[in-house]
Amino acid sequence: GQQLNQSPQSMFIQEGEDVSMNCTSSSIFNTWLWYKQDPGEGPVLLIALYKAGELTSNGRLTAQFGITRKDSFLNISASIPSDVGIYFCAGQSGTSYGKLTFGQGTILTVHP
Amino acid sequence: NAGVTQTPKFRILKIGQSMTLQCTQDMNHNYMYWYRQDPGMGLKLIYYSVGAGITDKGEVPNGYNVSRSTTEDFPLRLELAAPSQTSVYFCASSYVGGIKYNEQFFGPGTRLTVL
Repeated sequence: GQQLNQSPQSMFIQEGEDVSMNCTSSSIFNTWLWYKQDPGEGPVLLIALYKAGELTSNGRLTAQFGITRKDSFLNISASIPSDVGIYFCAGQSGTSYGKLTFGQGTILTVHP
Repeated sequence: NAGVTQTPKFRILKIGQSMTLQCTQDMNHNYMYWYRQDPGMGLKLIYYSVGAGITDKGEVPNGYNVSRSTTEDFPLRLELAAPSQTSVYFCASSYVGGIKYNEQFFGPGTRLTVL
């Protein structure tokens, strides 16, 4: 099956620092989504990307759909303690219509 | 809108028992999904449905059954619970077919322990 490689697996940062994480795939995707999961909760959609090269922001979050369509990036600027959680990338390819493939997640810890 | 709701939030089962995890969405989404999330892992698709009366297997369907008699409801059935089914189960829904297709929205999860 399709696999997404998400990195890094975990990050420990100081409040105020910027964060970058990425996902790569061996397959071409036509949709990239980024989710955040707080402890004990379900994933919440942060940003959706639909075109190669697309750059989309949501507050302090910015995500990009890689030009090769095989990768995506998420940046968080000026991190705050409530950014703590697990961030997942997810992608949909043309051969898996209606289904998403999820990365394994990046665990983010922010020290005040 | 309540979004995607799941019941129960927590459940402990004995090996061999059966139970149904309930999922309801009020967004008129056509697709619905069941995932399981094991500790430190991502989400694995168990079953999904493209509409009322139509279901299909995902990546890890063994030991589970689903049905979809209405657009809103998508229950997940465990017939003979096994310790390997200890996990957190998430239901999700999305509208597939428009411009913003497959933005999946998740419920709060059901934490299941099988002893």
